[in-house]
Amino acid sequence: QSVLTQPPSASGTPGQRVTISCSGSTSNIGSNTVNWYQQLPGTAPKLLSYTNNQRPSGVPDRFSASKSGTSGSLAISGLQSEDEADYYCAAWDDSLNGYVFGSGTKVTVL
Amino acid sequence: QVQLQESGPGLVKSSETLSLTCTVSGGSISNYYWSWIRQPPGKGLEWIGYISDIGRTNYSPSLNSRVTISEDTSKNQFSLKLTSVTAADTAVYYCARGPWFGDLLKFDYWGQGMLVTGSA
Repeated sequence: QSVLTQPPSASGTPGQRVTISCSGSTSNIGSNTVNWYQQLPGTAPKLLSYTNNQRPSGVPDRFSASKSGTSGSLAISGLQSEDEADYYCAAWDDSLNGYVFGSGTKVTVL
Repeated sequence: QVQLQESGPGLVKSSETLSLTCTVSGGSISNYYWSWIRQPPGKGLEWIGYISDIGRTNYSPSLNSRVTISEDTSKNQFSLKLTSVTAADTAVYYCARGPWFGDLLKFDYWGQGMLVTGSA
């Protein structure tokens, strides 16, 4: 069972906005920054966001992340077919002294 | 452009030791943290552990008793050993750069992943 909780699935039609939540605790998201990764089918995860809301070079600004208290969220605006993937949040957990991933959310473009 | 490539046996017998190597090209492994992460088929990601820029290691509590991560700076490689393998260790194993960059936390470069099957 993952330390960070995400909804198993989310969906939307092309052009819509989809939001994914990530619920943690004071030992992880509450006291450390949140990362987001995108995993396209059959490929390695790709860093989508770090330090709560920073996008690496090359990541479209359609992807925006935020953090509030012990939760993080990722929003995908202007949903496109190529956004169909699994999305994972992650953070450092001070109690476990380790890096923890969320349970993952599968985004489907209808 | 930094590139990572996992290598090693794809099949490990139960109770034996899984050994994987990650070869880094396009940059030196010195001055960075390097990690191993795994993903069982159809499931989520699990961080295994890291080796730091000064050779200090930190492992997931759930795997701590069975894991060793080491590095060979002369070959620009780092390695994973996981003892007493069972079928539950069947997963795609990824090597990645990170998670610490000073105070920043992220995995910015990943290998393509390698499926390792723990046979009964």
